[in-house]
Amino acid sequence: GAGVSQSPSNKVTEKGKDVELRCDPISGHTALYWYRQSLGQGLEFLIYFQGNSAPDKSGLPSDRFSAERTGGSVSTLTIQRTQQEDSAVYLCASSQGLAGGGNEQYFGPGTRLTVT
Amino acid sequence: SQQGEEDPQALSIQEGENATMNCSYKTSINNLQWYRQNSGRGLVHLILIRSNEREKHSGRLRVTLDTSKKSSSLLITASRAADTASYFCATRGSNYKLTFGKGTLLTVNP
Repeated sequence: GAGVSQSPSNKVTEKGKDVELRCDPISGHTALYWYRQSLGQGLEFLIYFQGNSAPDKSGLPSDRFSAERTGGSVSTLTIQRTQQEDSAVYLCASSQGLAGGGNEQYFGPGTRLTVT
Repeated sequence: SQQGEEDPQALSIQEGENATMNCSYKTSINNLQWYRQNSGRGLVHLILIRSNEREKHSGRLRVTLDTSKKSSSLLITASRAADTASYFCATRGSNYKLTFGKGTLLTVNP
């Protein structure tokens, strides 16, 4: 079956512009995560959605970052007034239940964001 | 801040040799997972070891966990050129979050 998909695969934007990154999780997966990976670094947790519960936004680096998940499926990560330090690969993952509770996370291919 | 720290940062070996990567962490964990990443894109889950387990095998992979030393190791036996990738450990504490280290870049030369 289809895995996690993300779009666009690459995005180049000018500093100050807003961007939207999309994630389509695996059908039926209730948990969805967004991570950010800067060049040569590990993954930085951004936000987590689980079912109908309120999302955990504790990893969002600033109020320029927001995310929503509509209908418990597709998620959109929005970055407003982009800065050069926002340049990174943004990875989305989904799992059947709580990741880390033995439920494997399935990652998408990521969106490479470049802010010029 | 990063919970897991992989060691070494980079490892280069010949095909057929074994590769060992280590991960150290700071706080108590529920489980520890290893992931593989090719070309800086999506990660693939390799293996999960729970805090009450000491060793686990999956094909050519062997993972050990020493909770007293807060460390884990990933051994890849009989390496292949296709094993070339970055390998990350991720720890889960008392909540649902996974915290990733910065990874080990493994290069297997044919």
